[in-house]
Amino acid sequence: AQSVTQLGSHVSVSEGALVLLRCNYSSSVPPYLFWYVQYPNQGLQLLLKYTTGATLVKGINGFEAEFKKSETSFHLTKPSAHMSDAAEYFCAVSAGSARQLTFGSGTQLTVLP
Amino acid sequence: DSGVTQTPKHLITATGQRVTLRCSPRSGDLSVYWYQQSLDQGLQFLIQYYNGEERAKGNILERFSAQQFPDLHSELNLSSLELGDSALYFCASSADTFSGNTIYFGEGSWLTVV
Repeated sequence: AQSVTQLGSHVSVSEGALVLLRCNYSSSVPPYLFWYVQYPNQGLQLLLKYTTGATLVKGINGFEAEFKKSETSFHLTKPSAHMSDAAEYFCAVSAGSARQLTFGSGTQLTVLP
Repeated sequence: DSGVTQTPKHLITATGQRVTLRCSPRSGDLSVYWYQQSLDQGLQFLIQYYNGEERAKGNILERFSAQQFPDLHSELNLSSLELGDSALYFCASSADTFSGNTIYFGEGSWLTVV
């Protein structure tokens, strides 16, 4: 079985500041890791994913994440926050025979002017 | 636009009733997933179908059932509805069942049980 823990249900940053959203996973087999974003009253949109290969993954809208096996982490970062980044962010894992995604509890990102 | 279409977008119904949520996957996708999103439970996986067959089952109540039809669209049936079933129900699809495949989500069906 796999699981995801997102540290911090709410994160606030100033516009132009670094965004760091934390995600730790648990999996008994090599995981595939995902970050999704949900804007108000919308569905989930994929930001980026890690399957195999390069551990630093670049996604849409300037976001990136680094897979660190030793730390079982997949933190999401963006160098400079924009007001349009305000949304809820979900980290998810799938692994082995479990094709479906297991989601974390989400982190609500607020960007302050 | 993810290409996954869900209907209806909003639904209000009374306790004890039955509703059907419909999903059309992205063109060419064979795998369909249903998720429930609520404030207290977060995003919960309900069930997965692949090319018409059930592939995985998550936290789906016995009052709920789903199926995938030959044209690959899927329906989620919710019966004997309770207030606690009020939630946002997502359908998602992917090309096949490989764990690393991207799963694309629809915009969801908001269900309110009164």
